[in-house]
Amino acid sequence: QSVLTQPPSASGTPGQRVTISCSGDNSNIGSNTVNWYQQVPGTAPRCIIYRDDQRPSGVPDRFSGSKSGTTASLAISGLQSDDEADYFCAAWDDSLNGQVFGGGTKLTVL
Amino acid sequence: EVQLVQSGTEVKKTGESLKISCKTSGFGFSHSWVGWVRQMPGKGLEWMGSVYPDDFPDDSDVRYNPSFQGQVTISADHSIRTAFLQWASLKASDSAMYYCAKWYGGNTGYFDYWGQGTLVTVSS
Repeated sequence: QSVLTQPPSASGTPGQRVTISCSGDNSNIGSNTVNWYQQVPGTAPRCIIYRDDQRPSGVPDRFSGSKSGTTASLAISGLQSDDEADYFCAAWDDSLNGQVFGGGTKLTVL
Repeated sequence: EVQLVQSGTEVKKTGESLKISCKTSGFGFSHSWVGWVRQMPGKGLEWMGSVYPDDFPDDSDVRYNPSFQGQVTISADHSIRTAFLQWASLKASDSAMYYCAKWYGGNTGYFDYWGQGTLVTVSS
């Protein structure tokens, strides 16, 4: 049982916009910033959004992050076939004094 | 260029000990947190703990996720820029992919660079 809650799956067609939610509580998302990681099957995760809405260099601006209260969201616009991957949200947790992750959302591009 | 290169696949028996490594380059290892993340087959990511090597062995700091405290030992050797994850007695449930990752920032930070992963398989 993951500390942060994500839908297990999401899907869209090429060119569509998809959003993935991530729900936590006041010890994590409610008081700390949220990061999002993309994991293509068979590879290591990579950060695509940090500090709620910042993109590391090299990440396309099709990826965006937002947060309100204890819920964060990842939006992917102009969906492409190589966006098919697992997406994990994460946040610092003040109770754990460490990083907690969501269970992951498997994105399928139809 | 920042790199984290992990040791190779391990196949072990229950009850055996194991130490896997994460050799780093391209950043200030002694003054950066390096974490370990477990991914069980078909499952999500779990932060196990992190180590801050510092310049002297006695000054290093290790933080554990309570779920893993006592089950594993995390350490680092700043002279060879390498972090370690070890088990004294493996269980079948330790079978997983293990990633090391460099942490950037404090509690508003994130894992900005990752190793390629070490697959550990434990059987009886």
